[in-house]
Amino acid sequence: TQLLEQSPQFLSIQEGENLTVYCNSSSVFSSLQWYRQEPGEGPVLLVTVVTGGEVKKLKRLTFQFGDARKDSSLHITAAQPGDTGLYLCAGVAGTYKYIFGTGTRLKVLA
Amino acid sequence: SAVISQKPSRDICQRGTSLTIQCQVDSQVTMMFWYRQQPGQSLTLIATANQGSEATYESGFVIDKFPISRPNLTFSTLTVSNMSPEDSSIYLCSVEQGADTEAFFGQGTRLTVV
Repeated sequence: TQLLEQSPQFLSIQEGENLTVYCNSSSVFSSLQWYRQEPGEGPVLLVTVVTGGEVKKLKRLTFQFGDARKDSSLHITAAQPGDTGLYLCAGVAGTYKYIFGTGTRLKVLA
Repeated sequence: SAVISQKPSRDICQRGTSLTIQCQVDSQVTMMFWYRQQPGQSLTLIATANQGSEATYESGFVIDKFPISRPNLTFSTLTVSNMSPEDSSIYLCSVEQGADTEAFFGQGTRLTVV
């Protein structure tokens, strides 16, 4: 069974702080995605990383795919209250085959 | 991108009854997916629905409990049958599109069974 473990599970930080969320698996994925979900809404894609070692930046968010394509990290610089939400990584294991991570609930306090 | 309309957005139901959730997409898609999400938790795939054929269910989910219809390329329904409080959850439909194989989600149906 393919599993994606995220850590931490919960995170509450002050505005302006930095944080890193980790997504780990023992399985190799063809690509990995990060989603953010706000209450009452479905998850929304933030980024897709495809190549081992790839780093992508989206404003204050930096995403990295592990060299072996088994893990990923999301780093947020100078967090803002608008970053609050549930962050989900998703391993793409094949056509129409997503494995979602266990989730990280982030709360950024003003 | 795909826009997905899901309804109802929430419902409170009596145990033993059934609820049908509708999912409408603004474009034709081959596959539609149904997920269950406990509040604040991750997503668990229930089944994959392909138009014109029977849905494919994941381990732990059966057609008698979660019958799915897929009458055309833009619409699907998921029924939660003979509900119990353990079925209280958020149910999401999803489609996949784009070069990044992005998954698009409806806003979810929050179901509470009392």
